[in-house]
Amino acid sequence: DTEVTQTPKHLVMGMTNKKSLKCEQHMGHRAMYWYKQKAKKPPELMFVYSYEKLSINESVPSRFSPECPNSSLLNLHLHALQPEDSALYLCASSQDTSGGTTGELFFGEGSRLTVL
Amino acid sequence: AQSVAQPEDQVNVAEGNPLTVKCTYSVSGNPYLFWYVQYPNRGLQFLLKYITGDNLVKGSYGFEAEFNKSQTSFHLKKPSALVSDSALYFCAVRDGAGTYKYIFGTGTRLKVLA
Repeated sequence: DTEVTQTPKHLVMGMTNKKSLKCEQHMGHRAMYWYKQKAKKPPELMFVYSYEKLSINESVPSRFSPECPNSSLLNLHLHALQPEDSALYLCASSQDTSGGTTGELFFGEGSRLTVL
Repeated sequence: AQSVAQPEDQVNVAEGNPLTVKCTYSVSGNPYLFWYVQYPNRGLQFLLKYITGDNLVKGSYGFEAEFNKSQTSFHLKKPSALVSDSALYFCAVRDGAGTYKYIFGTGTRLKVLA
């Protein structure tokens, strides 16, 4: 099984809503990532979890709140978002080697978020 | 600081012709280089990587890449392009040792014309 599964595929929310994005992988990877991607741009790193602990937060606004309940699951909780947060949110995983990674990223298909 | 550059926003090639998508890099230490492809409204898919070893790396879907240390390049190639290869291609480099960060290039849109 070499898949990273993201739900939902599409999400439309108002600026006062609370919603969550979910990501699941069963490849035994211990590094999991959230990226944000705008149209025709490269993905931008938001968060990295290593062994279920937050390792990197790229100065992401607190209206985005990540959570890693176990080694297979990664969530991104959304609250009070702005229209400019509309984007494709990508989850990824990779092997974890002593505080870093040397392997490729395995991406999910993404969650397309629209904030009204 | 590590960096990666994709000098072409778009590459057009006729179906059946060879294709090249260019990537140059700047790293301190050993480079860990990757190519990914993204189809519309999809996630990125890993194509191939160079960590060490042979300079010619073979990957998925008939793609290959040539690592050239003297020119600090890692160009993506395919001998015969297919219309279905039309997509957005990203080159990436690991941002130093002992890190989870990757630096992605700006992307090159490949259009294969029938």
